[in-house]
Amino acid sequence: GAGVSQSPSNKVTEKGKDVELRCDPISGHTALYWYRQSLGQGLEFLIYFQGNSAPDKSGLPSDRFSAERTGGSVSTLTIQRTQQEDSAVYLCASSTTTQATDTQYFGPGTRLTVL
Amino acid sequence: AQKITQTQPGMFVQEKEAVTLDCTYDTSDPSYGLFWYKQPSSGEMIFLIYQGSYDQQNATEGRYSLNFQKARKSANLVISASQLGDSAMYFCAMREEENFNKFYFGSGTKLNVKP
Repeated sequence: GAGVSQSPSNKVTEKGKDVELRCDPISGHTALYWYRQSLGQGLEFLIYFQGNSAPDKSGLPSDRFSAERTGGSVSTLTIQRTQQEDSAVYLCASSTTTQATDTQYFGPGTRLTVL
Repeated sequence: AQKITQTQPGMFVQEKEAVTLDCTYDTSDPSYGLFWYKQPSSGEMIFLIYQGSYDQQNATEGRYSLNFQKARKSANLVISASQLGDSAMYFCAMREEENFNKFYFGSGTKLNVKP
């Protein structure tokens, strides 16, 4: 079936503007993750959603970052008052249950450039 | 302490030869899962192989195998018969049963396959 999709694939914005990044997980996947990957670096965990439980927001770097997941499916990551250091690729992933054995499936990412 | 350590920022291998990418991990949880992902230059993260902490045998998936040494806390990825298309970043990751919200990623190894 269809994989994880993200939109837009690229976003260029001016410093101080707000941006919204969208993630459509694989149908039936209850867990959804957001990561940030700076150029040439590993993945930085941002936030995690699991079903109807309260999200794990422990990785959000500042209160300018927020995310929601509507209807247990689509998720939107919002960055307010963007800064140049927010420039990165934002990856979304989803998985089925929450056993340690379950892998994540990643979307293609959104490349954010803040001028 | 870092949960996942990948000590090889970059590796070269000749086409058709085998290569080992190192990964060590740190956990006190007896139940955990270890994952390897490939990230080509296009940016998508591709799941390669999984090893559970209670698995008795090393995982294999086609040309990929995982050399799991539990006492040493290492989970090295072995790629046999390297192909030019194997050139990519490779990330090792771990998920603990106790804190299954989080995937911990290493900093990655950039593999270059030479013709």
